[in-house]
Amino acid sequence: RKEVEQDPGPFNVPEGATVAFNCTYSNSASQSFFWYRQDCRKEPKLLMSVYSSGNEDGRFTAQLNRASQYISLLIRDSKLSDSATYLCAVKPGSARRLTFGSGTQLTVLP
Amino acid sequence: NAGVMQNPRHLVRRRGQEARLRCSPMKGHSHVYWYRQLPEEGLKFMVYLQKENIIDESGMPKERFSAEFPKEGPSILRIQQVVRGDSAAYFCASSPPGGRAHYEQYFGPGTRLTVT
Repeated sequence: RKEVEQDPGPFNVPEGATVAFNCTYSNSASQSFFWYRQDCRKEPKLLMSVYSSGNEDGRFTAQLNRASQYISLLIRDSKLSDSATYLCAVKPGSARRLTFGSGTQLTVLP
Repeated sequence: NAGVMQNPRHLVRRRGQEARLRCSPMKGHSHVYWYRQLPEEGLKFMVYLQKENIIDESGMPKERFSAEFPKEGPSILRIQQVVRGDSAAYFCASSPPGGRAHYEQYFGPGTRLTVT
């Protein structure tokens, strides 16, 4: 089983739609979780950090379910500019390195 | 506040040559991480350094790869005797020394290495 798993998609949604991505992790000792977005041939950009049960920033909501070992990212009122690959990252235990999922590709259609 | 800087942005090397990738962390950040992203694959951790110390190199290939973060100057990822399989995007990230955000990593634009 991979340490961090994501549905690769692609997710194709119309503008204005609500879309949710899930990410599961295997290390129950993980404490910190992050969502990044990565545009084609660009660097990952930090979108949200999730330290407790969840976090909200405008149209974006991240939730953490420790019992089931997954985090989710909800995007409301999708914009064309939200089209990107969304990467889930987990800090396993005491180590500072991040383990990334393979990413979920989102395309928002006009 | 300048972000993480990496150079060169693109690097072409012939098989057997050496590649040197440089990374300057964000101002005030003292932790540097290197990740590799192979074509159509996810980001893989390579090494984590603080000034003059390698803290975690669990993701580094055992041969040909080395990293340093000297007291002065940028962090350097060195790949000796490159092979075609080393072609990838190499990203550097940095994080602050403390505070709640000290696990948040901010990425540079990457160096795209092509081995011919």
